Amino acid sequence: AQKVTQAQTEISVVEKEDVTLDCVYETRDTTYYLFWYKQPPSGELVFLIRRNSFDEQNEISGRYSWNFQKSTSSFNFTITASQVVDSAVYFCALSRYSTLTFGKGTMLLVSP
Amino acid sequence: DVKVTQSSRYLVKRTGEKVFLECVQDMDHENMFWYRQDPGLGLRLIYFSYDVKMKEKGDIPEGYSVSREKKERFSLILESASTNQTSMYLCASIFRSRAGETQYFGPGTRLLVL
Repeated sequence: AQKVTQAQTEISVVEKEDVTLDCVYETRDTTYYLFWYKQPPSGELVFLIRRNSFDEQNEISGRYSWNFQKSTSSFNFTITASQVVDSAVYFCALSRYSTLTFGKGTMLLVSP
Repeated sequence: DVKVTQSSRYLVKRTGEKVFLECVQDMDHENMFWYRQDPGLGLRLIYFSYDVKMKEKGDIPEGYSVSREKKERFSLILESASTNQTSMYLCASIFRSRAGETQYFGPGTRLLVL
């Protein structure tokens, strides 16, 4: 069975701090995809990144970076120099045959 | 731009009513999904569809049915709404590229059943 664990329920930081959101997954598949989505207060889930299980390169996009480590089954997400607009719930997800298994989400609160 | 729309952002219904939630995508996507989201439980898959007139149960199909008569439209039906179906409902469809598949979501429908 697939499982995604986001152990951090809620994180509070002050603007400009760096913050890392943890994601640990379980799967028996050898080929899979991992995802991060952002859900701002408006409610819509916004796609951030997809990572193929064969590609363990870290990725950076502006203030966002992702660290995929297959050896520890983790796919962590770091926001550098956080901003108030980063306040949202962030979901990590794992795919299997086109369906997604989501973690329960981490609520990030960035205060000015 | 990938665009998934849902018929209502907010909906208030009474117990026992039949409720239709509509989801539309105009990108010729084959796969479409319905999730519900509840505090502390994350997103849970209700039903999905691989093509017109095809449907598959997800993790929590009880109390729901779906309809996919046209490729662009995937409807979630609550035959007799109950208070425990008060939730946020999210629809998604899959965008395929050479790099892989990605689910894109609609804005969500917040349903309150009184």
